[in-house]
Amino acid sequence: NAGVMQNPRHLVRRRGQEARLRCSPMKGHSHVYWYRQLPEEGLKFMVYLQKENIIDESGMPKERFSAEFPKEGPSILRIQQVVRGDSAAYFCASSVSGRTEAFFGQGTRLTVV
Amino acid sequence: AQSVTQLDSHVSVSEGTPVLLRCNYSSSYSPSLFWYVQHPNKGLQLLLKYTSAATLVKGINGFEAEFKKSETSFHLTKPSAHMSDAAEYFCVVSDLRDDKIIFGKGTRLHILP
Repeated sequence: NAGVMQNPRHLVRRRGQEARLRCSPMKGHSHVYWYRQLPEEGLKFMVYLQKENIIDESGMPKERFSAEFPKEGPSILRIQQVVRGDSAAYFCASSVSGRTEAFFGQGTRLTVV
Repeated sequence: AQSVTQLDSHVSVSEGTPVLLRCNYSSSYSPSLFWYVQHPNKGLQLLLKYTSAATLVKGINGFEAEFKKSETSFHLTKPSAHMSDAAEYFCVVSDLRDDKIIFGKGTRLHILP
Protein backbone atom coordinates (compact mmCIF):
# COMPACT_ATOMS: atom_id res chain seq x y z
CA ASN A 1 0.00 0.00 0.00
CA ALA A 2 1.77 3.08 -1.23
CA GLY A 3 1.64 6.15 0.96
CA VAL A 4 0.10 9.46 0.04
CA MET A 5 1.62 10.53 -3.25
CA GLN A 6 2.00 14.15 -4.18
CA ASN A 7 3.33 15.43 -7.45
CA PRO A 8 5.20 17.27 -8.53
CA ARG A 9 7.61 17.55 -5.58
CA HIS A 10 8.87 20.88 -6.83
CA LEU A 11 7.02 23.30 -9.07
CA VAL A 12 8.25 26.61 -10.43
CA ARG A 13 5.78 29.03 -11.96
CA ARG A 14 6.04 32.57 -13.22
CA ARG A 15 3.69 35.17 -11.83
CA GLY A 16 0.32 34.93 -13.55
CA GLN A 17 0.60 31.25 -14.50
CA GLU A 18 -1.49 28.43 -13.11
CA ALA A 19 -0.25 25.83 -10.64
CA ARG A 20 -1.86 22.39 -10.37
CA LEU A 21 -0.90 20.23 -7.42
CA ARG A 22 -1.91 16.60 -7.31
CA CYS A 23 -2.51 14.30 -4.38
CA SER A 24 -3.30 10.59 -4.53
CA PRO A 25 -4.55 9.41 -1.13
CA MET A 26 -3.71 6.08 0.38
CA LYS A 27 -5.81 3.19 -0.80
CA GLY A 28 -9.10 3.06 1.06
CA HIS A 29 -8.88 6.65 2.29
CA SER A 30 -11.79 8.87 1.32
CA HIS A 31 -10.82 11.97 3.33
CA VAL A 32 -8.29 14.41 1.90
CA TYR A 33 -6.88 17.53 3.53
CA TRP A 34 -4.71 20.25 2.05
CA TYR A 35 -2.38 22.40 4.13
CA ARG A 36 -0.06 25.24 3.29
CA GLN A 37 3.21 25.89 5.06
CA LEU A 38 4.82 29.26 4.56
CA PRO A 39 8.51 29.69 5.38
CA GLU A 40 9.08 29.75 9.16
CA GLU A 41 5.39 29.17 9.83
CA GLY A 42 3.25 26.24 10.87
CA LEU A 43 0.80 24.28 8.83
CA LYS A 44 -2.34 26.15 7.91
CA PHE A 45 -5.49 24.25 7.05
CA MET A 46 -6.85 25.06 3.61
CA VAL A 47 -9.54 22.61 2.60
CA TYR A 48 -11.06 19.28 3.53
CA LEU A 49 -12.66 17.08 0.90
CA GLN A 50 -14.36 13.75 0.64
CA LYS A 51 -15.03 12.05 -2.66
CA GLU A 52 -16.75 14.56 -4.97
CA ASN A 53 -17.53 16.90 -2.07
CA ILE A 54 -15.88 19.89 -0.47
CA ILE A 55 -16.63 19.60 3.23
CA ASP A 56 -14.78 22.61 4.57
CA GLU A 57 -12.89 25.23 2.58
CA SER A 58 -12.71 27.83 5.32
CA GLY A 59 -8.92 28.03 5.11
CA MET A 60 -8.71 28.56 1.40
CA PRO A 61 -8.43 32.06 -0.11
CA LYS A 62 -11.69 33.02 -1.81
CA GLU A 63 -10.04 33.97 -5.09
CA ARG A 64 -7.70 32.06 -7.39
CA PHE A 65 -7.69 28.87 -5.29
CA SER A 66 -9.86 25.84 -5.89
CA ALA A 67 -9.78 22.18 -4.96
CA GLU A 68 -11.48 19.04 -6.12
CA PHE A 69 -11.50 15.35 -5.29
CA PRO A 70 -13.26 13.54 -8.14
CA LYS A 71 -14.78 10.10 -7.98
CA GLU A 72 -11.83 8.77 -9.95
CA GLY A 73 -8.32 10.11 -9.84
CA PRO A 74 -6.30 12.30 -7.51
CA SER A 75 -7.30 15.37 -5.59
CA ILE A 76 -6.22 18.57 -7.30
CA LEU A 77 -5.36 21.89 -5.72
CA ARG A 78 -5.42 24.58 -8.37
CA ILE A 79 -3.99 28.05 -8.03
CA GLN A 80 -4.74 30.46 -10.82
CA GLN A 81 -2.68 33.57 -11.65
CA VAL A 82 -0.05 32.77 -9.05
CA VAL A 83 1.70 35.55 -7.13
CA ARG A 84 4.97 35.54 -5.18
CA GLY A 85 3.07 35.17 -1.93
CA ASP A 86 1.79 31.77 -3.05
CA SER A 87 5.32 30.38 -2.75
CA ALA A 88 5.08 27.74 -0.04
CA ALA A 89 5.06 24.04 0.66
CA TYR A 90 1.67 22.47 0.10
CA PHE A 91 0.96 19.26 1.95
CA CYS A 92 -1.80 16.80 1.33
CA ALA A 93 -2.99 14.28 3.90
CA SER A 94 -5.50 11.47 3.76
CA SER A 95 -7.34 9.48 6.37
CA VAL A 96 -9.99 6.83 6.70
CA SER A 97 -12.04 9.18 8.87
CA GLY A 98 -11.62 12.26 11.02
CA ARG A 99 -11.03 10.10 14.08
CA THR A 100 -8.01 8.30 12.70
CA GLU A 101 -4.57 9.62 12.03
CA ALA A 102 -3.86 11.41 8.80
CA PHE A 103 -1.00 10.27 6.60
CA PHE A 104 0.93 12.95 4.83
CA GLY A 105 2.54 13.19 1.48
CA GLN A 106 6.01 14.62 1.01
CA GLY A 107 4.60 17.93 -0.12
CA THR A 108 4.87 20.07 -3.21
CA ARG A 109 7.17 23.04 -2.96
CA LEU A 110 5.82 25.82 -5.14
CA THR A 111 8.13 28.66 -6.09
CA VAL A 112 6.72 31.64 -7.94
CA VAL A 113 9.31 33.69 -9.78
CA ALA B 1 -15.22 24.03 17.19
CA GLN B 2 -12.01 22.49 18.29
CA SER B 3 -8.65 24.28 18.54
CA VAL B 4 -5.13 23.54 19.68
CA THR B 5 -2.50 25.77 21.25
CA GLN B 6 1.18 25.00 21.37
CA LEU B 7 2.52 27.19 24.10
CA ASP B 8 6.12 27.49 22.91
CA SER B 9 7.23 28.30 19.38
CA HIS B 10 10.85 27.31 20.20
CA VAL B 11 12.31 25.00 22.83
CA SER B 12 16.03 24.42 23.40
CA VAL B 13 17.40 21.57 25.50
CA SER B 14 20.81 20.02 25.92
CA GLU B 15 21.47 16.56 24.55
CA GLY B 16 20.68 13.95 27.19
CA THR B 17 18.23 16.14 29.13
CA PRO B 18 14.43 15.76 29.21
CA VAL B 19 12.15 17.24 26.56
CA LEU B 20 8.76 18.82 27.26
CA LEU B 21 6.65 20.25 24.45
CA ARG B 22 3.38 21.70 25.65
CA CYS B 23 -0.01 21.45 23.98
CA ASN B 24 -3.46 22.51 25.14
CA TYR B 25 -6.60 21.75 23.23
CA SER B 26 -10.21 22.82 23.12
CA SER B 27 -12.91 20.44 21.98
CA SER B 28 -16.61 20.22 22.63
CA TYR B 29 -16.64 16.51 22.08
CA SER B 30 -14.42 13.54 22.75
CA PRO B 31 -11.20 14.49 20.96
CA SER B 32 -8.59 12.49 19.15
CA LEU B 33 -5.12 13.94 19.67
CA PHE B 34 -1.92 13.41 17.74
CA TRP B 35 1.67 14.56 17.65
CA TYR B 36 3.50 14.81 14.35
CA VAL B 37 7.16 15.55 13.68
CA GLN B 38 8.61 17.30 10.65
CA HIS B 39 12.33 17.17 9.99
CA PRO B 40 13.83 19.91 7.79
CA ASN B 41 12.63 19.71 4.19
CA LYS B 42 10.73 16.53 4.90
CA GLY B 43 7.10 15.54 5.19
CA LEU B 44 5.24 14.90 8.41
CA GLN B 45 5.49 11.71 10.39
CA LEU B 46 3.08 10.53 13.06
CA LEU B 47 4.77 10.23 16.47
CA LEU B 48 1.83 9.03 18.53
CA LYS B 49 -1.94 9.25 18.90
CA TYR B 50 -4.60 9.29 21.59
CA THR B 51 -8.08 8.03 20.69
CA SER B 52 -9.83 7.50 24.06
CA ALA B 53 -7.92 4.42 25.15
CA ALA B 54 -5.03 4.65 27.66
CA THR B 55 -4.30 8.22 28.73
CA LEU B 56 -0.53 7.69 28.60
CA VAL B 57 0.44 7.10 25.02
CA LYS B 58 3.82 5.82 23.90
CA GLY B 59 5.12 6.70 20.46
CA ILE B 60 8.14 6.19 18.31
CA ASN B 61 11.70 7.28 19.13
CA GLY B 62 11.09 7.23 22.88
CA PHE B 63 8.43 9.94 22.92
CA GLU B 64 5.26 9.75 24.95
CA ALA B 65 2.34 12.00 25.77
CA GLU B 66 -0.29 12.06 28.50
CA PHE B 67 -3.89 13.05 27.93
CA LYS B 68 -5.16 15.09 30.89
CA LYS B 69 -8.81 15.95 30.45
CA SER B 70 -8.97 18.14 33.58
CA GLU B 71 -6.16 20.30 32.21
CA THR B 72 -7.14 19.94 28.54
CA SER B 73 -3.51 19.15 27.85
CA PHE B 74 -1.57 16.65 25.75
CA HIS B 75 2.08 17.46 26.43
CA LEU B 76 4.83 15.57 24.61
CA THR B 77 7.81 14.31 26.61
CA LYS B 78 11.02 12.35 26.18
CA PRO B 79 13.37 11.42 29.03
CA SER B 80 16.61 12.10 27.17
CA ALA B 81 17.02 14.24 24.08
CA HIS B 82 19.10 13.14 21.12
CA MET B 83 20.58 15.33 18.41
CA SER B 84 18.35 13.62 15.85
CA ASP B 85 15.26 14.92 17.70
CA ALA B 86 15.88 18.42 16.38
CA ALA B 87 12.77 19.10 14.27
CA GLU B 88 9.41 20.81 14.31
CA TYR B 89 6.62 19.18 16.30
CA PHE B 90 2.92 19.67 15.70
CA CYS B 91 0.08 18.92 18.09
CA VAL B 92 -3.14 18.00 16.30
CA VAL B 93 -6.78 17.61 17.38
CA SER B 94 -9.90 16.27 15.77
CA ASP B 95 -13.26 15.33 17.28
CA LEU B 96 -16.35 13.28 16.63
CA ARG B 97 -18.50 16.11 15.45
CA ASP B 98 -16.12 17.78 13.05
CA ASP B 99 -13.95 15.62 10.83
CA LYS B 100 -11.54 18.47 10.22
CA ILE B 101 -8.05 17.93 11.62
CA ILE B 102 -6.63 21.05 13.26
CA PHE B 103 -2.91 21.69 13.65
CA GLY B 104 -1.14 23.76 16.25
CA LYS B 105 1.38 26.33 15.06
CA GLY B 106 4.27 24.03 15.84
CA THR B 107 7.18 23.99 18.26
CA ARG B 108 10.71 23.96 16.93
CA LEU B 109 12.93 21.80 19.11
CA HIS B 110 16.63 22.67 19.22
CA ILE B 111 19.13 20.25 20.73
CA LEU B 112 22.29 21.78 22.17
CA PRO B 113 25.47 19.68 22.20
